[in-house]
Amino acid sequence: GENVEQHPSTLSVQEGDSAVIKCTYSDSASNYFPWYKQELGKGPQLIIDIRSNVGEKKDQRIAVTLNKTAKHFSLHITETQPEDSAVYFCAASIVAFGNEKLTFGTGTRLTIIP
Amino acid sequence: GAVVSQHPSWVICKSGTSVKIECRSLDFQATTMFWYRQFPKQSLMLMATSNEGSKATYEQGVEKDKFLINHASLTLSTLTVTSAHPEDSSFYICSARGQGDDTTNEKLFFGSGTQLSVL
Repeated sequence: GENVEQHPSTLSVQEGDSAVIKCTYSDSASNYFPWYKQELGKGPQLIIDIRSNVGEKKDQRIAVTLNKTAKHFSLHITETQPEDSAVYFCAASIVAFGNEKLTFGTGTRLTIIP
Repeated sequence: GAVVSQHPSWVICKSGTSVKIECRSLDFQATTMFWYRQFPKQSLMLMATSNEGSKATYEQGVEKDKFLINHASLTLSTLTVTSAHPEDSSFYICSARGQGDDTTNEKLFFGSGTQLSVL
C-alpha cells in the first residue's frame, strides 16, 4: 500500500518568513495530493491540492510543488502570519473510481513566532 | 459549498455505554464517507469506509462489532461506539468526498470532529 512520509515534524518560523514542508510517497500510481490544515480540536481543512498532471499550483500565499519522478511534493507558505500556526498534513491517493482512500503523512506542527 | 457537519463535537460517557456520532453532508450527496480516529499529536488513522446502502469496509484491526457504521442515506453516516471503554477515548473525524465537476469530485472534506472521553 501507499506510504507517505512527512518532514519536519515541527517547524518554527519567524513571522513574515517562508515555511516549507516536504512529503514523499511510495506508490507511483498515486495521482492526487492534498494538503490539510488542522487547528486544535477541529477537523482538517483542505487548503490546497494538486494532481499528478501538474507540477506546481499556487493560491495566494500557499503553493504546492510536485516532482513525480522523485515522488515527493512540498507545501510552501510565504509571508507567514500567526494564524498560519497549526498542524499540517499531506496526503496521497489514487483517484480513479471515486472512493479511494487517502493516506496521510504524520503531520507537521508549524509555529509562527511573532 | 461542500460542508460536512459532525455532531456531537464532544461527549463524555460512562464505561459500558454506547455513543453515536453523526456525520452529514449539508450541501451535497456523499455516496462514500470515511471515518477516522486520531490520537493526540498523531496523524489520522482510517477506520472504515462507509458506502450508502451497503456494508461498511473496515480497515485491518478495526472491530466492526465495536464500531458500527450506518450509511442509510446519501447525506448521513453514523458511527456508534458500542460498549465504550476508556481505551476508546479519542478524537473521531468523518469525511465525505465532494461531488460535482472534475475539479471537486476527488476532494475530501472533513467534519469538525468528535472528542470522546470514556470514564
